[in-house]
Amino acid sequence: QQPVQSPQAVILREGEDAVINCSSSKALYSVHWYRQKHGEAPVFLMILLKGGEQKGHEKISASFNEKKQQSSLYLTASQLSYSGTYFCGTEETSGSRLTFGEGTQLTVNP
Amino acid sequence: NAGVTQTPKFQVLKTGQSMTLQCAQDMNHEYMSWYRQDPGMGLRLIHYSVGAGITDQGEVPNGYNVSRSTTEDFPLRLLSAAPSQTSVYFCASSETVGETQYFGPGTRLLVL
Repeated sequence: QQPVQSPQAVILREGEDAVINCSSSKALYSVHWYRQKHGEAPVFLMILLKGGEQKGHEKISASFNEKKQQSSLYLTASQLSYSGTYFCGTEETSGSRLTFGEGTQLTVNP
Repeated sequence: NAGVTQTPKFQVLKTGQSMTLQCAQDMNHEYMSWYRQDPGMGLRLIHYSVGAGITDQGEVPNGYNVSRSTTEDFPLRLLSAAPSQTSVYFCASSETVGETQYFGPGTRLLVL
């Protein structure tokens, strides 16, 4: 089942913070976050695993609340390069395929 | 490493025509998948494969066929194109299911 992302869109000024949420009606094993810039392919940001392990390689943080079946992506001190559409993908059990949300469009203005 | 490559980048088809979208990866990944992306609908899984010779349907498989004869290649076939198949198509691969997915650059398809 497709996860629900909120907000659908957000506009920031450079240096401001943003939070993007991803929630599911089903128990989750992991949540994946991707960013897609206009006209480009999605690029991996981070995986959050059940049990708290987080795997990622960018200076963007996230949380995973297993009880609430929800993940949040935190972008602090936003930069112009953060602009794009952010997708969460959820995995219900280990080894199951990802189901992506509809995306959150983030625009950072100077 | 080229990563995940897709051809063509753009294609215009007439209703009823058939074509094959090519996807290849050089990372020896077991898992490969095809998504379509339509405005406001995110990425929807069409077909996927967990290894050579093994394929399965995703959320929106109707009108598409796939095969996986080698680890590297995962072509997507449109049997009889319809305007509803106008979309951007992404191929992705990962070491296994649930791992980081690497996306190709996409194919923009317009069906008239």
